[in-house]
Amino acid sequence: GAVVSQHPSWVICKSGTSVKIECRSLDFQATTMFWYRQFPKQSLMLMATSNEGSKATYEQGVEKDKFLINHASLTLSTLTVTSAHPEDSSFYICSARDSGNTGELFFGEGSRLTVL
Amino acid sequence: GDSVTQMEGPVTLSEEAFLTINCTYTATGYPSLFWYVQYPGEGLQLLLKATKADDKGSNKGFEATYRKETTSFHLEKGSVQVSDSAVYFCALSPVTNSGYALNFGKGTSLLVTP
Repeated sequence: GAVVSQHPSWVICKSGTSVKIECRSLDFQATTMFWYRQFPKQSLMLMATSNEGSKATYEQGVEKDKFLINHASLTLSTLTVTSAHPEDSSFYICSARDSGNTGELFFGEGSRLTVL
Repeated sequence: GDSVTQMEGPVTLSEEAFLTINCTYTATGYPSLFWYVQYPGEGLQLLLKATKADDKGSNKGFEATYRKETTSFHLEKGSVQVSDSAVYFCALSPVTNSGYALNFGKGTSLLVTP
């Protein structure tokens, strides 16, 4: 079946540094990708909707200057956590919507960020 | 706004037991409803879905019926296996096959013991 790959799956960084997380749709094109954040024992919270070739749409309360999203191609979206702080430590999950007939959503395995 | 509430876990069952995970929703209009499963170390996978009232989604022995009158989409399986141990998420979308994201419940962890 369709696959969405996230990289890295696990990253540790120092406070104040920036971290980039990639989300790729491996065998389908995705004009729309979504970025979620998941806290332990909590639901997935939608952070932003990433549209290929245009600016991302951020949910209320999500700082767009802190969580930079780029969707430069039909198979790749990136999330950059800028000037990361310990409170940004979380599990980040992307999903990509198949632009073909099904319109089905596929999810990446997630990326666990730990900021020291 | 639209939201989903599902029963809190963890749920621990013996193999071959009956499973029910409750899910209720709040939405304007007629959302589509989904159950996703997340196995340890893997991404979320679509388990089943229903797009209109009275629809029944089914897959791998799991079933859920879209009940508009009770705004529910409870997940059931008649006989669980150890391999069903995972986290199950109920979700809704205002419209399918569109640019809308899913709203998720908090997830219910299921552990099936031999």
